[in-house]
Amino acid sequence: EPEVTQTPSHQVTQMGQEVILRCVPISNHLYFYWYRQILGQKVEFLVSFYNNEISEKSEIFDDQFSVERPDGSNFTLKIRSTKLEDSAMYFCASGKTVDQPQHFGDGTRLSIL
Amino acid sequence: AQSVTQLGSHVSVSEGALVLLRCNYSSSVPPYLFWYVQYPNQGLQLLLKYTTGATLVKGINGFEAEFKKSETSFHLTKPSAHMSDAAEYFCAVSLNNAGNMLTFGGGTRLMVKP
Repeated sequence: EPEVTQTPSHQVTQMGQEVILRCVPISNHLYFYWYRQILGQKVEFLVSFYNNEISEKSEIFDDQFSVERPDGSNFTLKIRSTKLEDSAMYFCASGKTVDQPQHFGDGTRLSIL
Repeated sequence: AQSVTQLGSHVSVSEGALVLLRCNYSSSVPPYLFWYVQYPNQGLQLLLKYTTGATLVKGINGFEAEFKKSETSFHLTKPSAHMSDAAEYFCAVSLNNAGNMLTFGGGTRLMVKP
């Protein structure tokens, strides 16, 4: 069964550095999402992306965050200048249509030192 | 705005016993409801969904859930627990479409005793 693939599985970065988290959505999916889960807290929506633009974003997704679909297969989340509180598990998800459920990757654990 | 409450962050059952994981939601419009399961070191896997139509929905691995509008609930059940069911379970809601942003509950860790 097709899967959403996320790399790396664990990323360690110094505070203030830029980080890019990568995702390969399921190939025929058109809707893309990022969520995060801070340790011990709920899974939180960050952003959704369709037709090469952001369709919805949460208050968490401020100017430090950006998303991009640089080619036909990858979907990336960039954090420009990381903070300690950005440490979390980041999940990418994709959906075939707006009516279909979202399929999640295994996540990238981001640790900010 | 929507929200999801999962009663019980930890639930422990014996193998073969009934599994009941509780989920209540609040929503200003008819909701789309989901249960996801997360096994250790893995992502979120869709167990089942309610969009419209039949209020009792069946999912994978013998799980089912019933949408009760009057109680704003979407509890997850399985008649007989298996050791392999041990995982974290998340209830989630979206509005207007299954593809809109998901709002998650806090999760319930299910432990299954032999």
